Amino acid sequence: DQQVKQNSPSLSVQEGRISILNCDYTNSMFDYFLWYKKYPAEGPTFLISISSIKDKNEDGRFTVFLNKSAKHLSLHIVPSQPGDSAVYFCAASASGYALNFGKGTSLLVTP
Amino acid sequence: EAGVAQSPRYKIIEKRQSVAFWCNPISGHATLYWYQQILGQGPKLLIQFQNNGVVDDSQLPKDRFSAERLKGVDSTLKIQPAKLEDSAVYLCASKRRGGRFTGELFFGEGSRLTVL
Repeated sequence: DQQVKQNSPSLSVQEGRISILNCDYTNSMFDYFLWYKKYPAEGPTFLISISSIKDKNEDGRFTVFLNKSAKHLSLHIVPSQPGDSAVYFCAASASGYALNFGKGTSLLVTP
Repeated sequence: EAGVAQSPRYKIIEKRQSVAFWCNPISGHATLYWYQQILGQGPKLLIQFQNNGVVDDSQLPKDRFSAERLKGVDSTLKIQPAKLEDSAVYLCASKRRGGRFTGELFFGEGSRLTVL
């Protein structure tokens, strides 16, 4: 059973526009949420995270929003750049235990 | 600091053969993970070590998969005998010792296994 769901396998955005990647989760015990970015033939790299006590965390062009009542989080990239083209994985953890990953969303930023 | 090292990068075997993957985590990282990533899926945890002890191996198919982490540093993951459905990228990751939980794992480049 998939506890972390990314329902959009792919997303295409023009350079300079906003990219919004969505993630839903089912386990109410999750208290820490992360986004990882993955380029082909490389391992995932940590991008940004948010604790369940917050509803927003910002790091430069990247902002993660958490809506606990809806069990939903989203990653906003503004402005999007061609180098942002990658697969983005949403992940969640309960009390510091191992991460549960979604299936990923492939983002393509076109010039 | 040097990243997580994995080898081999690629391996092709026939079903029922055996294969082993090696991982050297970032120096000083006490926690080590093996994840399996099947094409089109997210990484799935196989096993988690804290130093040389197993913390979680609930999703490891123990009839064919085994893993060890001798001396709390390097780790090997073995599959014997391999099945077609074991074709995947095997990712090793490590986490810093102690401190506030951030969930940040450092992943290696992965070992891609193809079972024919």
